[in-house]
Formats: sequence, structure tokens, C-alpha cells
Amino acid sequence: NAGVTQTPKFRVLKTGQSMTLLCAQDMNHEYMYWYRQDPGMGLRLIHYSVGEGTTAKGEVPDGYNVSRLKKQNFLLGLESAAPSQTSVYFCASSPGFEQYFGPGTRLTVT
Amino acid sequence: KQEVTQIPAALSVPEGENLVLNCSFTDSAIYNLQWFRQDPGKGLTSLLLIQSSQREQTSGRLNASLDKSSGRSTLYIAASQPGDSATYLCAVCGSTGNQFYFGTGTSLTVIP
Repeated sequence: NAGVTQTPKFRVLKTGQSMTLLCAQDMNHEYMYWYRQDPGMGLRLIHYSVGEGTTAKGEVPDGYNVSRLKKQNFLLGLESAAPSQTSVYFCASSPGFEQYFGPGTRLTVT
Repeated sequence: KQEVTQIPAALSVPEGENLVLNCSFTDSAIYNLQWFRQDPGKGLTSLLLIQSSQREQTSGRLNASLDKSSGRSTLYIAASQPGDSATYLCAVCGSTGNQFYFGTGTSLTVIP
């Protein structure tokens, strides 16, 4: 089992560019989550999904979109990147009641 | 809304000391509580999961306790080692099973 994987690991964007972060899990989990982690702010929930084809907003959804077309994949999109979106992004999956995390994507927007 | 607090934000101890990390939460209607470890530049690794019906959970030198009624959990690390240096986060799971609330973590440094 690979667990939860994230692609890419690092990325540098210019303001206004777009990109998609991919999260994949091979544990057949129903729930998937995208968080961002900033110094002193802890983990903040961006969007989450309670099953294939569903998405919902978390605490800080503005500027991000998500899709879950397949149960094993959860995509996070930035349509027009801003410097405020510089952060480390973590994906997590859950069968319910506990979470498993990916290694993270470090994104810098200049 | 559930709020999770971890105090202190940072802790430095000499090698070999026993130490306690604290986690408090405002809503006692939780399903369980999970302790994670995060090394610099890495993801979160689950250490212990303690169900709301349990009082304690142990793994090696780690022992987590939970007092749901008072909204507190502690992570006890025995005989600390430099390799224990990391950030430790706690997360509570709401009763629906799909909502998780994180503390901001305690950064632990164990000095050789």
C-alpha cells in the first residue's frame, strides 16, 4: 500500500498562474480532505469530500476549487494563484474516525 | 465550534527526561482523539488514537490519556531521546466521524 500520495512535492508559481494538486489514496477511504499549514496557524481545512462526486467547503475555501471524480483521487485547483496562497498543502483520507496524511506539497507563489 | 488548544507551543528538555504534552478541547462530544507527530518538512504520522470510551492508550514509550468530561488529553513521553524532537499535534474527531479539529501543536526539542 502506498497510502496517501501527493503530486507534486514542490512547486513555484507566478502570481496569476493556475495549477492542480493531485492527492491519491489506495485504501478505499470514503472521506478526503485538503488542508493548508502556515507557521503559527496550524492546519486549516480548505475543502473536503465525503464520497465520490461530492465536495464541500471547509474553513478557508476562497481561491481554491476541488473535484473528486474518482473515489481514490481528490484534486485541488488554484485558478489564479496569489502570494497569500504560499503554504504547505496536505491531503488526508479517512475511513471515518481517523485520518491518514500525505507527505505534503510546498507551494510558493511569487 | 470545537476549539483545540495545545500548551506550551514549544518545549525544550534534556535527554532522558519524562515529559507531558497537553491538549484541551472545548466540546466534550467527541468520538476520539488522535496524537500525531510531524518532523520538519514532513507530513503527519499518527502516534496514538484514543477512543472517547477509553482513558488511556499506550505505545512503547508513549502514553496518551483522555478525560473527555474535562476536555483534556495528555501525551506522556518517557525517557525522552533526541529522536523525539518534532512537533506534536492533537486532533479531535467529532461525533459524525468525518470532522476533525486540530491544535496548533507543541514543538519539542530534546537536547543531547
